[in-house]
Parts: sequence; C-alpha cells; structure tokens
Amino acid sequence: GENVEQHPSTLSVQEGDSAVIKCTYSDSASNYFPWYKQELGKGPQLIIDIRSNVGEKKDQRIAVTLNKTAKHFSLHITETQPEDSAVYFCAASSPIMDTGRRALTFGSGTRLQVQP
Amino acid sequence: KAGVTQTPRYLIKTRGQQVTLSCSPISGHRSVSWYQQTPGQGLQFLFEYFSETQRNKGNFPGRFSGRQFSNSRSEMNVSTLELGDSALYLCASKEGPQETQYFGPGTRLLVL
Repeated sequence: GENVEQHPSTLSVQEGDSAVIKCTYSDSASNYFPWYKQELGKGPQLIIDIRSNVGEKKDQRIAVTLNKTAKHFSLHITETQPEDSAVYFCAASSPIMDTGRRALTFGSGTRLQVQP
Repeated sequence: KAGVTQTPRYLIKTRGQQVTLSCSPISGHRSVSWYQQTPGQGLQFLFEYFSETQRNKGNFPGRFSGRQFSNSRSEMNVSTLELGDSALYLCASKEGPQETQYFGPGTRLLVL
C-alpha cells in the first residue's frame, strides 16, 4: 500500500518568514495530493490540493509543488502569520488493489509554530 | 452550505461499553469516511460508505463497524471499548468518486 512520509515533524518560524513542509510518497499510481490544516480542537481543513497532471498550484500565500519523478510534494507558506500556527497534514490518493477504488493515506503531520 | 457535523463532540465511556457516533455529511455528499486520530498513530482510515454500502475498510478489528442511511448520514459503532480506543474520531464527506473530502470537527472519545 501507499506510504507517505512527512518532514519536519515540528517547525518554528518567525512571523513574516516562509515555511516549507515536505512529503514523499511510495506509490507511483498516486494522483491526488491534498494538504490539510488542523487547529486545536478542530477537524482538518482542506487548504490546497494538487493533481498529478500539474506541477505547481498557488492560492495567495500558499503554494504546493509536485515532483512526480522524485515522488515528493511540498507545501510552501509565505509571509507567515501567527494564525498559520497549526498542524499540517499531507495526503496521497492511491489505488486500492483489485478494487478500482482509491484511498487517501496521510502523513504524520507537521506542527508549525509562527512566533510573533 | 453547512459543513460536516458530528455528534456528540465529547464522550466518556468505560472499558467494555459500546459507543455510537454520528456524522451528517455536507448536503449533496453521498460518500462518508471515518478516521481515527491519535497522537501516536496519526490519522488512520477506518471505513468509507457510499450510497449505504461500505466501499473501503481500513485495518481495524471487527469491534469497529459503521453504517450509512438513505439520507447519507452515517454512524460508527465501537463495541467492547478498550483504553486504546481513546481518540478523536473524524468523519469526512465528499460528493462521489472525486477525491476532495471535507472533515467534520470530530468526536473526542475518552475510555476510562
């Protein structure tokens, strides 16, 4: 099955700096890669996603890049703000053997702390 | 549209009891997935339901079960609770085969 590794597990940056979180996946058939932000006491919230036919996607201060050859994808947050502090999860959608269906496998999460 | 709702938000049970958690998906969403989130294991997939049928199942014991109703609302049940079942249980919904799914706030279960 798919295996998603996420680094770093914790990241502390100064307000205004950029933050980068990286994930690698194992299944070359994975074709959809969402990123979720989870604040304390809340469920994960989808912040951006990318499909395998695209190399980069941007939404204001957030961008995601995908390298299919190397099987890794990254989340970039520019001009970080204290409200960006949360746990971020990456995920990869891969086929489930012999079913024709797909499932999401999540990374272990990155705790981002933005220091004011 | 209203988001995914889950009830109850918090629950305390004792070992050996059973528990039922409820999830109402976003209006129009027919797929509901359940996840268990713990500090040690992260987000782990439990099962997915679509049109009242279980489509996928994760690697959890048979004590964990679920169902989906005709209005797409879903319930999950855990029987014979163990201390290790203490976790945040998350429900996520999506419209159909597409993969963009949206999570609810979760039900935090504490087993004593």
